[in-house]
Amino acid sequence: QLQLQESGPGLVKPSETLSLTCTVSGGSISSSSDYWGWIRQPPGKGLEWIGSISYSGTTYDNPSLKSRVTMSVDMSKNQFSLKLTSVTAADTAVYYCARTGDKGTWYFDLWGRGTLVTVSS
Amino acid sequence: DIQMTQSPSSLSASVGDRVTITCRASQSISSYLNWYQQKPGKAPKILIYAASNLQSGVPSRFSGGGSGTDFTLTITSLQPEDFATYYCQQSYSTPFTFGPGTKVDIK
Repeated sequence: QLQLQESGPGLVKPSETLSLTCTVSGGSISSSSDYWGWIRQPPGKGLEWIGSISYSGTTYDNPSLKSRVTMSVDMSKNQFSLKLTSVTAADTAVYYCARTGDKGTWYFDLWGRGTLVTVSS
Repeated sequence: DIQMTQSPSSLSASVGDRVTITCRASQSISSYLNWYQQKPGKAPKILIYAASNLQSGVPSRFSGGGSGTDFTLTITSLQPEDFATYYCQQSYSTPFTFGPGTKVDIK
């Protein structure tokens, strides 16, 4: 049974880089039909799609984040990662990793539990 | 970007009630509309994809409809475990965007 688990620092200082990893277990990240994505949710607010990446490195991201986002895949570790640079308090959120199992319809059918990242000095 | 709106923003209902939530897109998105349920402290869970397709394992009391710009999520007989926040999401074009959510609580 495929599972996703986010990991990374829970506290990041303003202007620094937020780095998160999502580990895929129970299956391979190398499926040609899957895309792996990041979605965030500020406390008490709604959901924002950050971006998605295929195992081959094709990426789609949200222009609202003004090129601060880098995503990558490590097939040897069955992981994919997110880096968000120049963070501010507005980047404080629960960050979820998620799978798109059908890139024709682009819905997120499998989610990690989420990890809270707080931006504060 | 395609803007998504939902109505109502919240509603109170009783067990057994029929509940309908509406989602509207700022432009036509064909049937590229998905619905999620989120409970406090939990990740969202997919309920309906491509407007009307029930995700495997989701109870049949959930149904979705609509196309173009107007969509609905209906729960035919509300159960205690259905009290949650519901989000729509368009997957017609990037950036994928979510509605602001509809909170369903107990009357």
